[in-house]
Amino acid sequence: DTEVTQTPKHLVMGMTNKKSLKCEQHMGHRAMYWYKQKAKKPPELMFVYSYEKLSINESVPSRFSPECPNSSLLNLHLHALQPEDSALYLCASSQFHGLANNEQFFGPGTRLTVL
Amino acid sequence: AQKITQTQPGMFVQEKEAVTLDCTYDTSDPSYGLFWYKQPSSGEMIFLIYQGSYDQQNATEGRYSLNFQKARKSANLVISASQLGDSAMYFCAMAFYGQNFVFGPGTRLSVLP
Repeated sequence: DTEVTQTPKHLVMGMTNKKSLKCEQHMGHRAMYWYKQKAKKPPELMFVYSYEKLSINESVPSRFSPECPNSSLLNLHLHALQPEDSALYLCASSQFHGLANNEQFFGPGTRLTVL
Repeated sequence: AQKITQTQPGMFVQEKEAVTLDCTYDTSDPSYGLFWYKQPSSGEMIFLIYQGSYDQQNATEGRYSLNFQKARKSANLVISASQLGDSAMYFCAMAFYGQNFVFGPGTRLSVLP
């Protein structure tokens, strides 16, 4: 199974809402990632979890809160977002973080619209 | 600092023809990996092919091959016998020990019937 799943596929939320994005992989990967992608741009790294611990936070605003409940699951909690946070949010996993030969496997993404 | 350049914002190719997507990179690190990803309009990033900096032979995966020229710091993706389903964004990426992926800006490929 080389699949990374993400839910929901689409999300529309107001600026006062609280919502969560979910990501799951069953490949035994020890590294998981959240990326934000704007239209016609490459993905931008937000967070890296390695062995279920947050290892990289790319100066992401606190209205984005990641969580890794176990080695297969990754959540991104959203609160008080701004319209400019509207984007495609991609989850990815790799066997380990920080190796030059480890491809990252991506999920289908969540298209987020903030009204 | 590591950087990837993809000089072709958009490319067109006729169905069944081959196409080359350019990728050049800048690094002083001797050990790295090069990756190509395809992103259809649905959004999912699909891993296509990998080349290690010490690999002697060019990587191939089905209709995809990587033209790796280390001295020129280029890692072009060649797609043979293009299909309509190949229409997508294509991203070149690099990985280094201890660091995260560096992505290029992408090339949008359109396959014409």
